[in-house]
Amino acid sequence: DAGVIQSPRHEVTEMGQEVTLRCKPISGHDYLFWYRQTMMRGLELLIYFNNNVPIDDSGMPEDRFSAKMPNASFSTLKIQPSEPRDSAVYFCASSGSLEDTGELFFGEGSRLTVL
Amino acid sequence: AQSVSQHNHHVILSEAASLELGCNYSYGGTVNLFWYVQYPGQHLQLLLKYFSGDPLVKGIKGFEAEFIKSKFSFNLRKPSVQWSDTAEYFCAVSQAGTALIFGKGTTLSVSS
Repeated sequence: DAGVIQSPRHEVTEMGQEVTLRCKPISGHDYLFWYRQTMMRGLELLIYFNNNVPIDDSGMPEDRFSAKMPNASFSTLKIQPSEPRDSAVYFCASSGSLEDTGELFFGEGSRLTVL
Repeated sequence: AQSVSQHNHHVILSEAASLELGCNYSYGGTVNLFWYVQYPGQHLQLLLKYFSGDPLVKGIKGFEAEFIKSKFSFNLRKPSVQWSDTAEYFCAVSQAGTALIFGKGTTLSVSS
């Protein structure tokens, strides 16, 4: 299996622009997670999906952030408009189940820089 | 609120030194416990995990962790670190049916 695939790996944009991050989970995994990593706050859970349905989005910072999972093999995290404080590494992860192992498989991350 | 605390932000060791990274959590009830590692420029990888049974868990690359329920702790240990252990280490906690919550991470720098 190719693992969790994220794109783009790096994104540099200007304040006010729309940013879309993409994720393809491991085939057969029912859970998909979006995390944000910063020096100050570490790894924060933004949102997670089960069978394409958002389960918990309480970590989404504000209305500028939105996430979708239109099918089992694709998810997007969108920031509109972007701000410098959104600069971070955004990780997508997938899991087969939360009931037994709970182990997450992470993508390589999307490093976002907002100028 | 439920939280995971890693007490050491940055640890600097020489090769062959022993390592212990602290992790405490504030959850009540049954928990699943994890340590993940992030090598420079790479994604997070599972180092070891605890669900039940023997509270001393052995993981990859000679790492181990001990679950002490009375202390709400899950400290990571390695008897002798190597330069290649330089990485960021994350403790994480979950309960059945919930997502993993991570600590802020501990950066380990090992000098040769």
